[in-house]
Amino acid sequence: AQSVAQPEDQVNVAEGNPLTVKCTYSVSGNPYLFWYVQYPNRGLQFLLKYITGDNLVKGSYGFEAEFNKSQTSFHLKKPSALVSDSALYFCAVRTGDDYKLSFGAGTTVTVRA
Amino acid sequence: DAGITQSPRHKVTETGTPVTLRCHQTENHRYMYWYRQDPGHGLRLIHYSYGVKDTDKGEVSDGYSVSRSKTEDFLLTLESATSSQTSVYFCAISESVEELFFGEGSRLTVL
Repeated sequence: AQSVAQPEDQVNVAEGNPLTVKCTYSVSGNPYLFWYVQYPNRGLQFLLKYITGDNLVKGSYGFEAEFNKSQTSFHLKKPSALVSDSALYFCAVRTGDDYKLSFGAGTTVTVRA
Repeated sequence: DAGITQSPRHKVTETGTPVTLRCHQTENHRYMYWYRQDPGHGLRLIHYSYGVKDTDKGEVSDGYSVSRSKTEDFLLTLESATSSQTSVYFCAISESVEELFFGEGSRLTVL
């Protein structure tokens, strides 16, 4: 079975400060890891993914994430947060031979001006 | 945006009535999924399809059925809706083991 944990329900940061959203995962086999963002009353938008290769992956809107195999983590980061980054963020995992994607419970990010 | 259309976008119904949600894609992707989103639970997989007439259950499939008679359409049916099925339902598509693309969601309220 595969699962994802997002230990923080909410993250609050000031605009211009670094933003980190935490994610840990559990899978049998090599993980495929994803981050999605959801704005109010919208569907999920893909931000970035780790499949293989460089542990630091860069995605949309200035976000990046670092895959850490020993800590089974895939934390999302942005060096300088914007008010417009306020949204609900989901981490997700699947394996190479499973087309089902498992999601964490989500983290609400609020960036204050 | 990926060509995914969900209908209806909003529906209010009564307990015990049947409900069908439709997902239509124009991307010709092989895989289609139905998820439900509830506060504190994130997204949970209901059913998915890996080809025409090929479907399988997800983690919360009880009370739901699906059908896929064409590549572009994936239907989710609640045979007899219950209040616990009040949720926001998302359809998603993918062509490979990489990212899923999501529709805008269908908000269902069962009274």
